[in-house]
Amino acid sequence: DIQMTQSPSSLSASVGDRVTITCQASQDISNYLNWYQQKPGKAPKLLIYDASNLETGVPSRFSGSGSGTDFTFTISSLQPEDIATYYCQQYDNLPVTFGQGTKLEIK
Amino acid sequence: QVQLQESGPGLVKPSQTLSLTCTVSGGSISSGDYYWSWIRQPPGKGLEWIGYIYYSGSTYYNPSLKSRVTISVDTSKNQFSLKLSSVTAADTAVYYCAREAAATVTLDYWGQGTLVTVSS
Repeated sequence: DIQMTQSPSSLSASVGDRVTITCQASQDISNYLNWYQQKPGKAPKLLIYDASNLETGVPSRFSGSGSGTDFTFTISSLQPEDIATYYCQQYDNLPVTFGQGTKLEIK
Repeated sequence: QVQLQESGPGLVKPSQTLSLTCTVSGGSISSGDYYWSWIRQPPGKGLEWIGYIYYSGSTYYNPSLKSRVTISVDTSKNQFSLKLSSVTAADTAVYYCAREAAATVTLDYWGQGTLVTVSS
């Protein structure tokens, strides 16, 4: 299985801050990477697909980049409603695997 | 708007079989553009993909669970189901069903999730 390693595991930031989360794959996965947001008690929600494409309806403050083994997820200006856990997911090889998650909190 | 809804027992005894059903509304499970997936999340932990089924009945299971998992589909009811045998406390989790776009392997619609506790 392809291992996905996210960092940091948790992050505290202020409203308006730029927030960056990284995801590293254990092997080259091209751009076959998605990002999800999960709020407490809710199902995950797709934000970014194919590493950098914004899902319809997702605010433009969210973005993604990267290819190969190293990927970045960015929130350009943190909003209170962005408090959640974020997961990367690779789909280059089955089984699909997820990163361990990054829990984002407001300072 | 596609909606998915999990249903099934919330409590299962150790060594028994966990059975859940996902009912899809607002779209046909027979669409060739999607796979129908199960994902689980132990309390306070991350996401684990269990497997998927295509409307034709073809499946792929996570090798870590393959010996215990069966996913089936009932196109007449627009439902798909999960069976996990020989459960232990380690199988306690919120179980989600989701639609997986075949082209991009994105899990674009999810059910709300259902907590299944394995306990005697």
